[in-house]
Amino acid sequence: DIVMTQSPDSLAVSLGERATINCKSSQSVLYSSINKNYLAWYQRKPGQPPMLLIYWASTRESGVPDRFSGSGSGTDFTLTISNLQAEDVAVYYCQQYYDTPFTFGQGTKLEIK
Amino acid sequence: QVHLVQSGAEVKKPGASVKVSCKASGYTFTAYYINWVRQAPGQGLEWMGRINPDSGGTNYARQFQGRVTMTRDTSISTAYMELSRLKSDDAAVYYCATEFHTPMVLGDEVVLGRRGFAPWGQGTLVTVSS
Repeated sequence: DIVMTQSPDSLAVSLGERATINCKSSQSVLYSSINKNYLAWYQRKPGQPPMLLIYWASTRESGVPDRFSGSGSGTDFTLTISNLQAEDVAVYYCQQYYDTPFTFGQGTKLEIK
Repeated sequence: QVHLVQSGAEVKKPGASVKVSCKASGYTFTAYYINWVRQAPGQGLEWMGRINPDSGGTNYARQFQGRVTMTRDTSISTAYMELSRLKSDDAAVYYCATEFHTPMVLGDEVVLGRRGFAPWGQGTLVTVSS
C-alpha cells in the first residue's frame, strides 16, 4: 500500500498570512502516460463531508478560491493557502488515488494564530 | 447540479449488518466510480472500496474483504455499501463519493484522467452498541 505522510500535524497561521502543508507518498503517484500526479487535497470542516480542493496535484477544483494552490510531483507535494481567511480553519488531507487501496494522509489541523 | 444523498443514521448491535445507500443525481450514474470512505471518531479518513456502477465490478480494501459488499441499482442511480459482522470499532461516519474523470486522447488510445473524489454524500453515522 502507498503510505501518505503529512507534515506538520497542526499549524497556526495569522490571518492574511500563508499556510503551507506538505505531503509525501511512499512511492511515486505520477501516471506517466498522461503526466498527471494522482494526488488530491481535501478540506474537512466539522460536521461537513470532505471537499475536494485540488486534483492532479495542482489543478484547482471548480469554485475553489485561487488562494489555494498545489504543487509537487512524484512523491513530494505541497498545499499552499495564501492570504489566510478565518473560514479556512479546517483539517486538510492529501490523498493518492494512483493505486488501490486509495490512501489518505493523517490530516493537518489548521488554526488561526 | 451533481449531488449524492445518503440514507439516515443507523444504530446496530455488534454482530449485525448495516446497509447504507447513496443516491446520485445530476450526472450519468453509470459513467463514474462510486467510492466509500469512513471516518471513526478521532481517526482519519479510511478508504473502504469502490464500485463501477456500469459493470458492478468492485475493489475492496484488504481489511474489509469478506465483510463488505458494494452493489448498485442503476434504475434508481443508487449505490449501496453493506458491512457485516459489525464491531464496536466500526462505529463511524460513512461517506460515498463520486470519482469523476477527464478522457484524454493519446494517439489511438483514450486514457481516463481521474480527478479525485467529488462530490461527497453528506455522511451516514453508524453507531454500534449493545
